[in-house]
Amino acid sequence: GESVGLHLPTLSVQEGDNSIINCAYSNSASDYFIWYKQESGKGPQFIIDIRSNMDKRQGQRVTVLLNKTVKHLSLQIAATQPGDSAVYFCAENFKETSGSRLTFGEGTQLTVNP
Amino acid sequence: GAGVSQSPRYKVTKRGQDVTLRCDPISSHATLYWYQQALGQGPEFLTYFNYEAQPDKSGLPSDRFSAERPEGSISTLTIQRTEQRDSAMYRCASSLEVGDGELFFGEGSRLTVL
Repeated sequence: GESVGLHLPTLSVQEGDNSIINCAYSNSASDYFIWYKQESGKGPQFIIDIRSNMDKRQGQRVTVLLNKTVKHLSLQIAATQPGDSAVYFCAENFKETSGSRLTFGEGTQLTVNP
Repeated sequence: GAGVSQSPRYKVTKRGQDVTLRCDPISSHATLYWYQQALGQGPEFLTYFNYEAQPDKSGLPSDRFSAERPEGSISTLTIQRTEQRDSAMYRCASSLEVGDGELFFGEGSRLTVL
């Protein structure tokens, strides 16, 4: 079946460094991918999305890269800050005729050390 | 409302009891989702609504679980004859348009079944 997963469960970086969080997906028919951030005790929060007709998209301090050949997605955070410490999930959107179903991966815990 | 509101925030019940969780999405949001999230895991899809229609309920774990959104706004998730394995965080989310990947999550309802 379809699945979305992450390579590393934890990532620890120094403040100011760049962070790269990876995600693998298995459904080659998926056409829309989203990154979410979840801080402790809170619900997931949308960060950035990318459609399958793109291979890169940039936001504020974040960049998402999509490699459809190897079914790999990554989130790059520039100049990581302590406030970036959270669990990051990639999600895969299954498009249907009347809506969509968002499937989340397992998450990577990012810890930013001061 | 300003955000997605869920109630109760915490619910402790005894095995075999029925529980109903409520979600009040952001006003005018077309799509409403229910997810189940275990500690340290990503949200698991349960079901979703486009207005009052429920196109996909395939994620509901058993027929003890049901959801409604009769007027296309507030939704309830009911679990009948609760079991200990139903203990989890239940998260509701809404999106502005059908098929939108940017979901706005509520704070969740934590259910504990004793």
